[in-house]
Amino acid sequence: NAGVTQTPKFRILKIGQSMTLQCTQDMNHNYMYWYRQDPGMGLKLIYYSVGAGITDKGEVPNGYNVSRSTTEDFPLRLELAAPSQTSVYFCASSYSLRYEQYFGPGTRLTVT
Amino acid sequence: AQSVTQLGSHVSVSEGALVLLRCNYSSSVPPYLFWYVQYPNQGLQLLLKYTSAATLVKGINGFEAEFKKSETSFHLTKPSAHMSDAAEYFCAVSDLYSGGSNYKLTFGKGTLLTVNP
Repeated sequence: NAGVTQTPKFRILKIGQSMTLQCTQDMNHNYMYWYRQDPGMGLKLIYYSVGAGITDKGEVPNGYNVSRSTTEDFPLRLELAAPSQTSVYFCASSYSLRYEQYFGPGTRLTVT
Repeated sequence: AQSVTQLGSHVSVSEGALVLLRCNYSSSVPPYLFWYVQYPNQGLQLLLKYTSAATLVKGINGFEAEFKKSETSFHLTKPSAHMSDAAEYFCAVSDLYSGGSNYKLTFGKGTLLTVNP
């Protein structure tokens, strides 16, 4: 049981490039989330999904897109990367709103 | 909007001393409350959660937290700190009553715990 996995672990992008951060969970959770973590700022919700085919914006969705075609996968797409997107990105999943969220190990992204 | 305040971005204790990490939330209704721990270069791991059952909640690694509605607090404690407790700790509040597209888990900004030998 791997839990929540994320790839890649590290990535350096040039300004204007695009990339997809992968997230997969094997716990059959309906709810999945993407957060970004910046030093001293806690975690900010980017997007979340309540099931396959259903996604919604969080606090900081600008510059990102998501899709949810299966229960297991919830990729995050960055279009036209900007230095402000330099951050650590965490994917998480939960059984329902009442239950705790399980986090992946994170992807450290640098945009230069 | 829900908010979470963690007093002290950095707390330093000696090994064997009491650990007290403070968390206050803003909510007019009883929320669900969580404490997470993050070790260097890792994701967040759940320490404990309050879900409207017992007000004193016990978690992993000897940590516990007490929900005090009158003070809107959920402080994390451990009687005796260990070197392995050095990490960043996050308090989070789940606003279950927003529902629909307004739901979110709000995190505090974190408290870095240093344990000195």
